[in-house]
Amino acid sequence: ILNVEQSPQSLHVQEGDSTNFTCSFPSSNFYALHWYRWETAKSPEALFVMTLNGDEKKKGRISATLNTKEGYSYLYIKGSQPEDSATYLCAVNSGNTPLVFGKGTRLSVIA
Amino acid sequence: SAVISQKPSRDICQRGTSLTIQCQVDSQVTMMFWYRQQPGQSLTLIATANQGSEATYESGFVIDKFPISRPNLTFSTLTVSNMSPEDSSIYLCSVRQEGFNYGYTFGSGTRLTVV
Repeated sequence: ILNVEQSPQSLHVQEGDSTNFTCSFPSSNFYALHWYRWETAKSPEALFVMTLNGDEKKKGRISATLNTKEGYSYLYIKGSQPEDSATYLCAVNSGNTPLVFGKGTRLSVIA
Repeated sequence: SAVISQKPSRDICQRGTSLTIQCQVDSQVTMMFWYRQQPGQSLTLIATANQGSEATYESGFVIDKFPISRPNLTFSTLTVSNMSPEDSSIYLCSVRQEGFNYGYTFGSGTRLTVV
């Protein structure tokens, strides 16, 4: 059974701080890793889909890296803003299997 | 990317009753997925709904409890039957985007509270 772990479970940072979270997963049979941003009462918003070892992707102040050999991905937020407050979900799939999610990291950015 | 309209957005239901959740997609998609997130838990896949065939349920989920319909390539419903407080969760539908770099799109969720 594919198990995806995210840490920390929750995080409180001051506006302007940079932060990062971790997603770990089994490295065998890896196909793709997905990061989502989920605000309450909204749809989870796709941030990145990463497939290759060493992938680095960036979207504004948010970036992510992927290490498929050791089974982890980092999500970085530079200069956190209150509007970054959300739950950040990591999900992994193997081949054609559906996504398996971690429990998410709940980020609160304090102005 | 596809846009999914999911409703209701929230509901409070009495135990023993049933609730049907609907998802409408603005384009034709082969596979639709239904997830739930219980408090403090991961988003967990309930079943995969394919048009023209029975849904495929994950371990721990059964058709009698979560019947699914998929009458065409743009619409699906999930019913939560004979509800108990343990069914209080957020329910989400999702589609896989063909050619969208393997990404998935989600509805905005249904927050269900069973009292």
